[in-house]
Amino acid sequence: NAGVTQTPKFRVLKTGQSMTLLCAQDMNHEYMYWYRQDPGMGLRLIHYSVGEGTTAKGEVPDGYNVSRLKKQNFLLGLESAAPSQTSVYFCASSYPDTQYFGPGTRLTVL
Amino acid sequence: KQEVTQIPAALSVPEGENLVLNCSFTDSAIYNLQWFRQDPGKGLTSLLLIQSSQREQTSGRLNASLDKSSGRSTLYIAASQPGDSATYLCAVGNNNDMRFGAGTRLTVKP
Repeated sequence: NAGVTQTPKFRVLKTGQSMTLLCAQDMNHEYMYWYRQDPGMGLRLIHYSVGEGTTAKGEVPDGYNVSRLKKQNFLLGLESAAPSQTSVYFCASSYPDTQYFGPGTRLTVL
Repeated sequence: KQEVTQIPAALSVPEGENLVLNCSFTDSAIYNLQWFRQDPGKGLTSLLLIQSSQREQTSGRLNASLDKSSGRSTLYIAASQPGDSATYLCAVGNNNDMRFGAGTRLTVKP
């Protein structure tokens, strides 16, 4: 099993550009999450999903959108990137409580 | 709003020493508490999960305790090894709202 995978690993964007981060899990987990990790601030929840076709806002949802069209995939979109969105993004899945994390995507917005 | 604090931010110990990492939280109405390990440039790996009805969990050289009334959890590492060097994060809440501490960066010197 690959566990939780994230694509891409690194990305550099210019302000105003858009992009989509892909998260995939092969553990048949119902719950999936997107977090961002910034220095000295720990991880903060952006959006989450409790099952295929569902999404909900987390602690810091502004500027991001998500979709969960298939149970195994959870997409995070940035419609108009801003320098404040420079961060490391982690995807995770869980069932029932233990969370399994992907390796992260390092995003820089210039 | 749940606030999670981990002190100290960094800790350096000689190999073989027993050590305790601390985690405190402001709202005692938690569903569970998890301890994670994060290696540089990597994702998080779950170490121990304590449900709100439990007082402690053990895995090998690791023991985590939970005291909801005082809003505290500790992670005890016995006979530390250089391979234990990493950042340790605690997270409290439930699957829909998990709040992370900023972590303690542990260095175990040979």
